[in-house]
Amino acid sequence: QKEVEQNSGPLSVPEGAIASLNCTYSDRGSQSFFWYRQYSGKSPELIMFIYSNGDKEDGRFTAQLNKASQYVSLLIRDSQPSDSATYLCALKGAGDMRFGAGTRLTVKP
Amino acid sequence: KAGVTQTPRYLIKTRGQQVTLSCSPISGHRSVSWYQQTPGQGLQFLFEYFSETQRNKGNFPGRFSGRQFSNSRSEMNVSTLELGDSALYLCASSLAGQGAQNIQYFGAGTRLSVL
Repeated sequence: QKEVEQNSGPLSVPEGAIASLNCTYSDRGSQSFFWYRQYSGKSPELIMFIYSNGDKEDGRFTAQLNKASQYVSLLIRDSQPSDSATYLCALKGAGDMRFGAGTRLTVKP
Repeated sequence: KAGVTQTPRYLIKTRGQQVTLSCSPISGHRSVSWYQQTPGQGLQFLFEYFSETQRNKGNFPGRFSGRQFSNSRSEMNVSTLELGDSALYLCASSLAGQGAQNIQYFGAGTRLSVL
């Protein structure tokens, strides 16, 4: 089992819909969780950071964390074509930052 | 505040050569991490430096090495290059404390092509 698992996609949603991205992890010692967005040919940029169970909202983005079930998700409301990118889930415990392979999202106009 | 700066942006080398990549972190950030990104393997952790000491190391051969200077700038070296080393090499810096201080900010990367 990979330490950080993401559905590689591609995930395709129509413009205006909700995109749901999921990530599961194996290390119960993970304390901080991150979602990065990476456009093709660019470097990752931080979208959301969460460390407590529950939901955290920032504009159109909501991160959800459930440590008991070892998953973290990202919801993108009112998806726009500019949201088309690869979304990387990352987590950090006592050691280094671990990244998932990413989910490629396409938002169709 | 300036972001993470990586140089050079592009490199073309031949098999057997060695290469050195440079990373200047955000001012005040003491942790620098290096990653290799390829289409097939995603983002793979190479190593992390904090206060001139290697704190964590990924599962890469000894041909990959790095160091950090007293001003937190870091270099990564790859010796005896192989075709499979062709990748985007990303550097990220952070404050390396608790919670939000672990947020890593990435440079634009160095794209290495080995011919």
